[in-house]
Amino acid sequence: SQQGEEDPQALSIQEGENATMNCSYKTSINNLQWYRQNSGRGLVHLILIRSNEREKHSGRLRVTLDTSKKSSSLLITASRAADTASYFCATDEVYKLSFGAGTTVTVRA
Amino acid sequence: NAGVTQTPKFQVLKTGQSMTLQCAQDMNHNSMYWYRQDPGMGLRLIYYSASEGTTDKGEVPNGYNVSRLNKREFSLRLESAAPSQTSVYFCASRDGGLSEAFFGQGTRLTVV
Repeated sequence: SQQGEEDPQALSIQEGENATMNCSYKTSINNLQWYRQNSGRGLVHLILIRSNEREKHSGRLRVTLDTSKKSSSLLITASRAADTASYFCATDEVYKLSFGAGTTVTVRA
Repeated sequence: NAGVTQTPKFQVLKTGQSMTLQCAQDMNHNSMYWYRQDPGMGLRLIYYSASEGTTDKGEVPNGYNVSRLNKREFSLRLESAAPSQTSVYFCASRDGGLSEAFFGQGTRLTVV
């Protein structure tokens, strides 16, 4: 089974609203990363949070990490149509990088 | 500025045929990865290479072999293709552990 699991599987929001998705994982990690995938293309890195960090921001993205609960969340604020994509968390065990099943986000105009 | 290049982009195989998927990166990265993506399954790690000369199994290695030919290239071989291997295959590379990964555009493989 996969290391990370995202929740929800799918999310539909209105443009301008915030989108929140969660990731739970099973084993200890060194860092956790979030990626975006548009229409079956290659994944693009969004943000990396280290295991000793609790929160990180990058533009309209906010990521939290709770290692005691083995969970992370990604918040996209003020969503735009261009944010429509699949979002994946990836757990990093030094060299092994494992992905979850992803959350598909649809932003309606 | 090629980044990670995968060849071929599309391939149709008959059951039992063999083929090699090629991946090359021009970013001087140490680590390389092969994933498969199936609908609703996300990306599953097949094999990875932490550095030149080493390879390790991921979550779903059965039916595949890999070769880290040199620092730039990491190939994935299907010795006897099965319909269950129909998938989109992604190669990725990164500088080492604990850094961001860069992905190729994928190889869409259909086994009939």
